[in-house]
Amino acid sequence: GENVEQHPSTLSVQEGDSAVIKCTYSDSASNYFPWYKQELGKRPQLIIDIRSNVGEKKDQRIAVTLNKTAKHFSLHITETQPEDSAVYFCAVSGGSNYKLTFGKGTLLTVNP
Amino acid sequence: DVKVTQSSRYLVKRTGEKVFLECVQDMDHENMFWYRQDPGLGLRLIYFSYDVKMKEKGDIPEGYSVSREKKERFSLILESASTNQTSMYLCASSPGLGNTEAFFGQGTRLTVV
Repeated sequence: GENVEQHPSTLSVQEGDSAVIKCTYSDSASNYFPWYKQELGKRPQLIIDIRSNVGEKKDQRIAVTLNKTAKHFSLHITETQPEDSAVYFCAVSGGSNYKLTFGKGTLLTVNP
Repeated sequence: DVKVTQSSRYLVKRTGEKVFLECVQDMDHENMFWYRQDPGLGLRLIYFSYDVKMKEKGDIPEGYSVSREKKERFSLILESASTNQTSMYLCASSPGLGNTEAFFGQGTRLTVV
């Protein structure tokens, strides 16, 4: 089955700095790569996603890049703010099934 | 807005009990999922369903079963609850093939004593 590795497991940055979280996956047939944000005590919510036919997608301070050859994708957050503090999960889906397989998560802390 | 609702926010059950966790979605989604979330382990897929009465095992199905008799409802069943099933359980749904964006319920914190 699909194997998703996510790094780092914790990340601490100063407000205004950038944060980068990376994920690798194993199934070359995968074609959908979302990122979810989970604030403390809340449900995970989609913040950005990318499909395999594009290499980069941006939404204000958030961007995702995809390298299908190397089978890795990354989340980039610029100008971080304290409200960005949360656990971030990458996920992978596609190929011949509907499964959404998640990484183990990254706890991002943005220090004021 | 998509609404995915889990029947309980907190549950406490005894070892050996049969436990039912219910999930309902109101957006006519084809796919429904059950995950468990444990610190340091992320979200692990227990079972998923891509149609009524259809189900497939996820990565950790042992000790669990599921039921999907109606499109909007997906139930997770712990046949005989054990203490190692103490966890946060998250239900999710997605529209279907070609659109796999998942929407999550609020979670059920299950404690087995």
